[in-house]
Amino acid sequence: DAGITQSPRHKVTETGTPVTLRCHQTENHRYMYWYRQDPGHGLRLIHYSYGVKDTDKGEVSDGYSVSRSKTEDFLLTLESATSSQTSVYFCAIRSPGQGGMANYGYTFGSGTRLTVV
Amino acid sequence: DAKTTQPPSMDCAEGRAANLPCNHSTISGNEYVYWYRQIHSQGPQYIIHGLKNNETNEMASLIITEDRKSSTLILPHATLRDTAVYYCIVSSEWIQGAQKLVFGQGTRLTINP
Repeated sequence: DAGITQSPRHKVTETGTPVTLRCHQTENHRYMYWYRQDPGHGLRLIHYSYGVKDTDKGEVSDGYSVSRSKTEDFLLTLESATSSQTSVYFCAIRSPGQGGMANYGYTFGSGTRLTVV
Repeated sequence: DAKTTQPPSMDCAEGRAANLPCNHSTISGNEYVYWYRQIHSQGPQYIIHGLKNNETNEMASLIITEDRKSSTLILPHATLRDTAVYYCIVSSEWIQGAQKLVFGQGTRLTINP
C-alpha cells in the first residue's frame, strides 16, 4: 500500500543467522506494528511502537527484537533465526482517529516472506 | 485470544449481496468492531468499523445488533475481486495509546461467477 513499504519481500536464511526486516512509512504516523501470519493462527502481534525509541512486546515476542530510531523506520530483528520463525511478516501503521480513541484503521504493508532453513 | 467467532468459509454468487456474520458476545461497552479482509498474498485491508450504530462506506455496510453481541458485514454487490479472508475484530487493550488488534481465523469468502 502507498505510504508503507517492507523490505525485503522474500528472504531465505539459515538457522542461527541474524535477520533484520525493515518497515518504512512515509505517513509520519506514530504507531507501527509487526505481525506474523501462519496457517491456522491468523495474524499475531510480535512488537509494536508508539514513538521513536518507544516499543513494547506483543503476544509472540520471544526471539524477536525491534528498534525505532526514526519515525519512518521500524526494524524487526531475529537475533538467531529458527525454523519456527519461518512465516510471513507484516508491518502496519495506524492512522489517527477523528475524535476520541476511535481507530480509523491500520494500513498494512505487502509482507515479507521469510524462510529459515 | 480472539474475541470473535466467524464461520470458516462462505460462498456467494457474483453480483449478489454477501452477508458475513460475526459473534462477539463478550464485547464490552467501549469496544469497537472492525472488519478487515486479506486477499491472497497481500496484507490485510481495512474495510469498516463501528461501535453501536450501523455504518456504511464505499466498500461495505456494517450492521451491529442492538445488544452488540453480533454484527454482519454486507458487501452489497459482490465481485470476483471480493474473494478473500474476512476478519471480524473486536478492539482489545490499549497500552501507551497503542491499540492491539487480535486477528482470529476469519471467514474465507469465495465469490463464484
